[in-house]
Amino acid sequence: ILNVEQSPQSLHVQEGDSTNFTCSFPSSNFYALHWYRWETAKSPEALFVMTLNGDEKKKGRISATLNTKEGYSYLYIKGSQPEDSATYLCAFRAGTASKLTFGTGTRLQVTL
Amino acid sequence: NAGVTQTPKFRVLKTGQSMTLLCAQDMNHEYMYWYRQDPGMGLRLIHYSVGEGTTAKGEVPDGYNVSRLKKQNFLLGLESAAPSQTSVYFCASSQGLEQFFGPGTRLTVL
Repeated sequence: ILNVEQSPQSLHVQEGDSTNFTCSFPSSNFYALHWYRWETAKSPEALFVMTLNGDEKKKGRISATLNTKEGYSYLYIKGSQPEDSATYLCAFRAGTASKLTFGTGTRLQVTL
Repeated sequence: NAGVTQTPKFRVLKTGQSMTLLCAQDMNHEYMYWYRQDPGMGLRLIHYSVGEGTTAKGEVPDGYNVSRLKKQNFLLGLESAAPSQTSVYFCASSQGLEQFFGPGTRLTVL
């Protein structure tokens, strides 16, 4: 069983704060690392798929970095807004398998 | 395109009852997956399929069966429901790297 860990488990910030969270995954047999945004009562929505060491991806105020050699990825949110409140999931894909192994998520709450 | 749809959205079963959850996708994707989501556990893969007529076990397959008779449909069956199967079930499909998720089915087993 592959071990994918996310930290922190939950985070409470104020509007305008910038924040970041971590996903750690096995450094061997890497194929891809996925980030999803998951709002309560909705389905997970893909944010990024990262495949190369050193990759940096950005979508609006959200960005992610990838270090496959040491097995971690950071997700950054700049100037958090209440609509950013959600659970952020990372998922690791090993080798050429189609399966994803998910972390338990970081639950972010942004208040006014 | 409807994307990935799941039927039903909610269901309550008594212990020992059986039911089938239906997942349908209209994106012509080869790969389909069933996950369960429990508090503090993230998404765990139950079964998956890499094409019509094929199925494979995931991380937590016990107590579930699946079938992929048509490319667009992936069925998840519970033959004899147990309270431990109370969960939210998500279906997903993919063709390349990205997986697309359905809206989920909330199942309660009493």
